[in-house]
Amino acid sequence: QVQLQQSGPGLVKPSQTLSLTCAISGDSVSSNSSAWNWIRQSPSRGLEWLGRTYYRSKWYNNYAVSVKSRVTINPDTSKNQFSLQLTSVTPEDTAVYYCSMGTGTYLDYWGQGVLVTVSS
Amino acid sequence: SYELTQPPSVSVSPGQTASITCSGDKLGDKFVSWYQQKPGQSPVAVIYQDRKRPSGIPERFSGSNSGNTATLTISGTQGMDEADYYCQAWDSSAAFFGTGTKVTVL
Repeated sequence: QVQLQQSGPGLVKPSQTLSLTCAISGDSVSSNSSAWNWIRQSPSRGLEWLGRTYYRSKWYNNYAVSVKSRVTINPDTSKNQFSLQLTSVTPEDTAVYYCSMGTGTYLDYWGQGVLVTVSS
Repeated sequence: SYELTQPPSVSVSPGQTASITCSGDKLGDKFVSWYQQKPGQSPVAVIYQDRKRPSGIPERFSGSNSGNTATLTISGTQGMDEADYYCQAWDSSAAFFGTGTKVTVL
């Protein structure tokens, strides 16, 4: 059974960088069959996929067009976790952020979600 | 950007059948997943690859996908099925979610 444990600050100031981490147990971030995703949810935007990282003999990333210029998702093999960085945040980035593991075409496991508020 | 449109709400009586649609351009050419989300909880997949159920999901959940529309059907709806439901599909290596449907069991 895979478990994903999210951590990171719940409050970020405008123009700063939002950083979250997702610790994995029950699988490996370097798995050749899993992909590691970040998704956020807000009343105005609904569920919005931000991007993913995955390993298939080498590391790959895919990002949503809406945040591509501001987002980075990185694996950390030494700690078996992956991270999200979103730069130049505005109040519109206020949302509940989820990490999720995907196999094939769907998202099997989700973290508990973390509310991140962008406010001065 | 790929848009997936769902009705905002569906109401159903206990024991009856609820159907939730998800519309998108040539959606039938893609695999669709469905997620159930209850208040304060993370989403849970109830259907993947159009019609397959993950382990532990009751048989009353079923799915189909053809043309521009995918459908999630809940047969014999129970009170515990009251939740928000989201469809999801991949397009050009990006995931897209539907607008969400609130299912109310009256």
